[in-house]
Amino acid sequence: EPEVTQTPSHQVTQMGQEVILRCVPISNHLYFYWYRQILGQKVEFLVSFYNNEISEKSEIFDDQFSVERPDGSNFTLKIRSTKLEDSAMYFCASGNDQGQETQYFGPGTRLLVL
Amino acid sequence: AQKVTQAQTEISVVEKEDVTLDCVYETRDTTYYLFWYKQPPSGELVFLIRRNSFDEQNEISGRYSWNFQKSTSSFNFTITASQVVDSAVYFCALTNNQAGTALIFGKGTTLSVSS
Repeated sequence: EPEVTQTPSHQVTQMGQEVILRCVPISNHLYFYWYRQILGQKVEFLVSFYNNEISEKSEIFDDQFSVERPDGSNFTLKIRSTKLEDSAMYFCASGNDQGQETQYFGPGTRLLVL
Repeated sequence: AQKVTQAQTEISVVEKEDVTLDCVYETRDTTYYLFWYKQPPSGELVFLIRRNSFDEQNEISGRYSWNFQKSTSSFNFTITASQVVDSAVYFCALTNNQAGTALIFGKGTTLSVSS
């Protein structure tokens, strides 16, 4: 069964460094998302992406964040200058319908900023 | 604004007990979708069910059942004859009918099933 994959599974970085989190959505899906979950808290929406553009973004998704679909398969989240509070699990999701499709989540990347 | 409330932070049961996880939502949209996701200790988010606002039929899938009531804005989840493997955090989520928009999650309910 097709699934969303994410790499790396864990990343440790120093404050101020740039990180790129990678996702491969399910192949026939058109909508892509990033969410984050700070340890022990709820899952929060960051951004959605469709047709090579951002569809919606939350207040969390400030200028330090960017997303890109560099080729036909990958979907990336870049954090330009990481802060301690960026430490979280980052989930990628994808969906395939024009309507409110189910969003299927990847296994997540656990980011730790020191 | 949309909001999902899961008032139960933690629930502990013994194996074979039935347990109901509550979810109350708020939205001004007439068309919306409700979801339940399971997050086991390994951390991934596993889709369990999607329900649209026009379909109030209750659903049963094995030991899982869902009760959607628009009159009380609730979408409750019952696990019958719970098992240790059911131990996880369960999230209820809501979204509207516009493509590419956010899933709004509740804070989750941590279910612990002991043997």
